[in-house]
Amino acid sequence: NAGVTQTPKFQVLKTGQSMTLQCAQDMNHNSMYWYRQDPGMGLRLIYYSASEGTTDKGEVPNGYNVSRLNKREFSLRLESAAPSQTSVYFCASTSGQGPDTQYFGPGTRLTVL
Amino acid sequence: GQSLEQPSEVTAVEGAIVQINCTYQTSGFYGLSWYQQHDGGAPTFLSYNALDGLEETGRFSSFLSRSDSYGYLLLQELQMKDSASYFCAVRDRKGDDKIIFGKGTRLHILP
Repeated sequence: NAGVTQTPKFQVLKTGQSMTLQCAQDMNHNSMYWYRQDPGMGLRLIYYSASEGTTDKGEVPNGYNVSRLNKREFSLRLESAAPSQTSVYFCASTSGQGPDTQYFGPGTRLTVL
Repeated sequence: GQSLEQPSEVTAVEGAIVQINCTYQTSGFYGLSWYQQHDGGAPTFLSYNALDGLEETGRFSSFLSRSDSYGYLLLQELQMKDSASYFCAVRDRKGDDKIIFGKGTRLHILP
């Protein structure tokens, strides 16, 4: 099992450009999450999806859109990137049942110039 | 809304015991989790408490008091490899999959 995978690992964008961060999990988990991590700010929830076909806003959803393509995949889109979106982005998944064990992907390090 | 408070930094000596506290405010409560993150890495799951009391997993233990909205992570026999950031996380309501993290505690270990 690969667990949670994310692509790309690194990305540099110019202000105004768009891009999609990809996330996939092979653990048959119901719930998937996107977090961003900035120094001293911990992990802040952007969007989450409790099941295929559903998505909900987290703490910091502005400037982002998501798609739960199927049970395995959950993508995060930046339509018009801004320097304030420079961050490390983590995707995570959990079964949604029993103890809250979240499994994280390796992260995408995004810089917006 | 939800909020979690934990100290930003803690320093301890190799071989000693350290406790990292977490207080939370939520509209409901389902469980408190702890994660470890080394520099440049992804968070990894350590422990979970849904009921009051102590959960032990090797050198790590986690405690929860729901009446006090408080929990802590206890690390024993500290090793240099335990130098990392530690996060508490809470699911707000049972059936709601929204999981929120604290800002993290940076643990420094002195030889």
